[in-house]
Amino acid sequence: GAVVSQHPSRVICKSGTSVKIECRSLDFQATTMFWYRQFPKQSLMLMATSNEGSKATYEQGVEKDKFLINHASLTLSTLTVTSAHPEDSSFYICSALLAGRSYNEQFFGPGTRLTVL
Amino acid sequence: QKEVEQNSGPLSVPEGAIASLNCTYSDRGSQSFFWYRQYSGKSPELIMSIYSNGDKEDGRFTAQLNKASQYVSLLIRDSQPSDSATYLCAVKPGRGSTLGRLYFGRGTQLTVWP
Repeated sequence: GAVVSQHPSRVICKSGTSVKIECRSLDFQATTMFWYRQFPKQSLMLMATSNEGSKATYEQGVEKDKFLINHASLTLSTLTVTSAHPEDSSFYICSALLAGRSYNEQFFGPGTRLTVL
Repeated sequence: QKEVEQNSGPLSVPEGAIASLNCTYSDRGSQSFFWYRQYSGKSPELIMSIYSNGDKEDGRFTAQLNKASQYVSLLIRDSQPSDSATYLCAVKPGRGSTLGRLYFGRGTQLTVWP
């Protein structure tokens, strides 16, 4: 159990366009999902915490108007990178919180590799 | 500041040896501790979780937790080349933190050579 999917797995776009990434929990409900970004050979960087039915909480330094997060249901959160630029090229990974247990384990999606030309 | 420290490595061990990965954390009130494995170009995969002091074993993996020393480790017995990856230590802090949020170390790169 605890499977998280992401779509697309890889996307290449032109500078200035917007890209939407979907994160789905397939076999459980996730009231909380997290969005991370990882540059090559660097650690995970938390971008924002997404809560179903409410506004996302962004980490310091992350532009909320550039990285739009919507968590409309208990199984789906989306991240939209608006007006993408080459410096936004990165590996974007979501995770979903398996709540309902005492210890709240996070399970990661397979990631989306974004390349902005 | 909730810090999680790991030796970045690389740690290199021969096949069949025991690999020992270490992690320290700054928040004494931390409750839950996790080890994730991340292969190059892939997302992290949860391999172990530990919540109480002592050892927890799962197959070739043993997690060890010492809350007094604020130290958590992962032992991999009979290491295999397929264990070569970056291992991320993650800590769920105590109160005053977003529900479920984890703090990650920078990861230790492990190479198991045949």
